[in-house]
Amino acid sequence: DIQMTQSPSSLSASEGDRVTITCQASQDINNNLNWYQQKPGKAPKLLIYDASNWETGVPSRFSGSGSGTDFTFTISSLQPEDIATYYCQQYDNLPLTFGGGTKVEI
Amino acid sequence: QLQLQESGPGLVKPSQTLSLTCSVSGDSISSTSYYWGWIRQPPGKGLEWIGSIYYSGSTYYNPSLKSRVTMSVDTSKNQFSLKLSSVTAADAAVYYCARDLIVGATGAPGMFDYWGQGALVTVSS
Repeated sequence: DIQMTQSPSSLSASEGDRVTITCQASQDINNNLNWYQQKPGKAPKLLIYDASNWETGVPSRFSGSGSGTDFTFTISSLQPEDIATYYCQQYDNLPLTFGGGTKVEI
Repeated sequence: QLQLQESGPGLVKPSQTLSLTCSVSGDSISSTSYYWGWIRQPPGKGLEWIGSIYYSGSTYYNPSLKSRVTMSVDTSKNQFSLKLSSVTAADAAVYYCARDLIVGATGAPGMFDYWGQGALVTVSS
């Protein structure tokens, strides 16, 4: 199985701050990576697919980059409604696997 | 607007079989572009893919659960189902169903773009 390692596991930032989350794959996954946002008590929501493409309706302050084994998810200006846990997920190989999550707080 | 809704018992006894159904509205489960998947999340923990099923009945299962998992699809009802046998306390989780977009040249599932609200399943005698 491909292991996905996210860091940090949690972070606290101020409104308007730039927030960066990293995700490292245990082997090369090309750009076969998605990012999800999960708010408390809710289902995850797809934000970014193919490492850097926005899902329809996702604000442009969210972005993703990377290829191979190292990926980055960025919130350019943190908003109160962005409080959530963020997960990366690879689909280069089955089984599909998720990172452990990054909890973002203000 | 596509909607998915999980249903099934919220309490299962140890060693018994967990059974959940996902009802899909707003899209046909027979779409050729999608698999239909199950993902679970133990309380306070991360996400684990259980498996995905195509409208034809073709399945992909997570090897870690494969010996205990059975998925099925009912195109006439626009539903798909999950059975997990011999449950233990470790199987207690919120179970999500989701639409699973086929990605890449392999035709395998990979991207969950619509999710149900989740069904909490407790394992206890």
